[in-house]
Amino acid sequence: ETGVTQTPRHLVMGMTNKKSLKCEQHLGHNAMYWYKQSAKKPLELMFVYSLEERVENNSVPSRFSPECPNSSHLFLHLHTLQPEDSALYLCASSMDRVETQYFGPGTRLLVL
Amino acid sequence: AQRVTQPEKLLSVFKGAPVELKCNYSYSGSPELFWYVQYSRQRLQLLLRHISRESIKGFTADLNKGETSFHLKKPFAQEEDSAMYYCAPFDHMNRDDKIIFGKGTRLHILP
Repeated sequence: ETGVTQTPRHLVMGMTNKKSLKCEQHLGHNAMYWYKQSAKKPLELMFVYSLEERVENNSVPSRFSPECPNSSHLFLHLHTLQPEDSALYLCASSMDRVETQYFGPGTRLLVL
Repeated sequence: AQRVTQPEKLLSVFKGAPVELKCNYSYSGSPELFWYVQYSRQRLQLLLRHISRESIKGFTADLNKGETSFHLKKPFAQEEDSAMYYCAPFDHMNRDDKIIFGKGTRLHILP
């Protein structure tokens, strides 16, 4: 499959669970991003990785932990989340940080 | 500090009428500007960017440095234009910059 893929597409978890979101891109891009999209704040940048190094952390709580093992894969590890963390989590990639971002379909997360 | 403003949360326009989605930015540098669109049940995608100076799906956007604006325009709205639109500036002269998305404007085309 080409483009940016995300798994799972839907996730329901309790506040004590640990889960991970996965993002994969097959576009040969060097930068990858995590965004949070919710009704209250339509599009919030969470993390930016460029050439597998984290270059941006937008004051995200430590219960969100990103991992970028290589330029094609990006993970978001979740633990002890709160109900207000329920949202659509979008992954994106771009050739360079100045270039167009290509978005995945998102993971719809519900925290109970 | 960089900031982008999309003053309208919701814009309703009749089919066939002109559309203008406003975007103002506050920048000290020389920005590259993007418009992204999210149609219902589809992923967020690029609509157009300033540097390419293209017209995509009938939409154009002109950078007005004096007014620091990058409004998105289309002369005749179509029903399929209903979507969420995000303006996103990027200061490409500042390598430490990050792209910041506006809060978005939901465009609703009325039949």
